[in-house]
Amino acid sequence: RKEVEQDPGPFNVPEGATVAFNCTYSNSASQSFFWYRQDCRKEPKLLMSVYSSGNEDGRFTAQLNRASQYISLLIRDSKLSDSATYLCVVIPGGSYIPTFGRGTSLIVHP
Amino acid sequence: GAVVSQHPSRVICKSGTSVKIECRSLDFQATTMFWYRQFPKQSLMLMATSNEGSKATYEQGVEKDKFLINHASLTLSTLTVTSAHPEDSSFYICSASPVGDDEQFFGPGTRLTVL
Repeated sequence: RKEVEQDPGPFNVPEGATVAFNCTYSNSASQSFFWYRQDCRKEPKLLMSVYSSGNEDGRFTAQLNRASQYISLLIRDSKLSDSATYLCVVIPGGSYIPTFGRGTSLIVHP
Repeated sequence: GAVVSQHPSRVICKSGTSVKIECRSLDFQATTMFWYRQFPKQSLMLMATSNEGSKATYEQGVEKDKFLINHASLTLSTLTVTSAHPEDSSFYICSASPVGDDEQFFGPGTRLTVL
């Protein structure tokens, strides 16, 4: 089993839709979790950190489920500009090395 | 947020030449930097962890003699692709985080094309 797994998609949704991605991780001692966004031919940029209590930033909500070892990202009212690849990043327990999922591709169409 | 720069942003070279890529943390010090490679439509692959003042730690399958890493100061790490070949053409990205922070800040990447 890979350390961090994501459905590569693509998720193809219309503008205004709500879409959710999950990311599972294998190391139960993992402490830090992030969602990054990567546009085509660009570097990843931090979208949001994922806290144990969950967190929300505008249309984006991230949640952590430690029991089932996954994190989720919910995007409400999708915009065309949300089209990108969303990368799940986990810092495994006992390590400082970030582990990336392969990313989930989102395409928002008019 | 913290800023990481990379230079050059794009390089085209002939097969057999060596290419040096610089990664700098502009407003923070980083004892550790990471080097990644990303082929088209594929995920980021960690190549190595660059440690200031000591040898880099390479991931399995990454040749340390081909991808030379030097982390001479707390703000600069360099990756040298030696004797580059067309299969080394890729997008090379570095990242770093301030001490005590888990968030990774990425450089803008270097697109290497080997002819």
